[in-house]
Amino acid sequence: AQSVTQLGSHVSVSEGALVLLRCNYSSSVPPYLFWYVQYPNQGLQLLLKYTSAATLVKGINGFEAEFKKSETSFHLTKPSAHMSDAAEYFCAVSGGYQKVTFGIGTKLQVIP
Amino acid sequence: SAVISQKPSRDICQRGTSLTIQCQVDSQVTMMFWYRQQPGQSLTLIATANQGSEATYESGFVIDKFPISRPNLTFSTLTVSNMSPEDSSIYLCSVEGEPGSGANVLTFGAGSRLTVL
Repeated sequence: AQSVTQLGSHVSVSEGALVLLRCNYSSSVPPYLFWYVQYPNQGLQLLLKYTSAATLVKGINGFEAEFKKSETSFHLTKPSAHMSDAAEYFCAVSGGYQKVTFGIGTKLQVIP
Repeated sequence: SAVISQKPSRDICQRGTSLTIQCQVDSQVTMMFWYRQQPGQSLTLIATANQGSEATYESGFVIDKFPISRPNLTFSTLTVSNMSPEDSSIYLCSVEGEPGSGANVLTFGAGSRLTVL
């Protein structure tokens, strides 16, 4: 079985501030982990993925995430928020033959 | 990665009616996935559609309510039957974004937002 928990359904940050979106996972097999972003009226777009290579994964638009097995976490960060980062972010996990399981999403608001 | 077109992008429907959502991919794909995205909830997989065979439905979803067609390797439809307000949701079509990688990366269409009155 696998699951994803995203802490905080809504996160607000000031423009230029650090973005930290939290994700904890549960998986009975070595996981693949993903962050997707959804802009208004659009489908989900892959931001980055962890597939058992480097634990620090860099994605598009300056985002990165670190896989921490001991903490079962895969938090998403960006050093400096931009207005265009306002969107909904989904953490997801898959492993073995299991299909992808998504978290409930975190809506990021960027305050000018 | 594949480009996915979905239509309609949004619709307002009356209770008891049915609506068919179309999904067109710009390349041939083995599996196509249909998801539901309800407000405040995670994306939920409805079914996997393979060309030439019946769709595989996830727990809680049945063919009578969500019939799916997959006539070829680039096209699929999802019908939401006998709709009720509880069916108001965004329905998303997706395909494997990196076939053969084993990483289950998904590419999504823009979604179809249904409102049932």
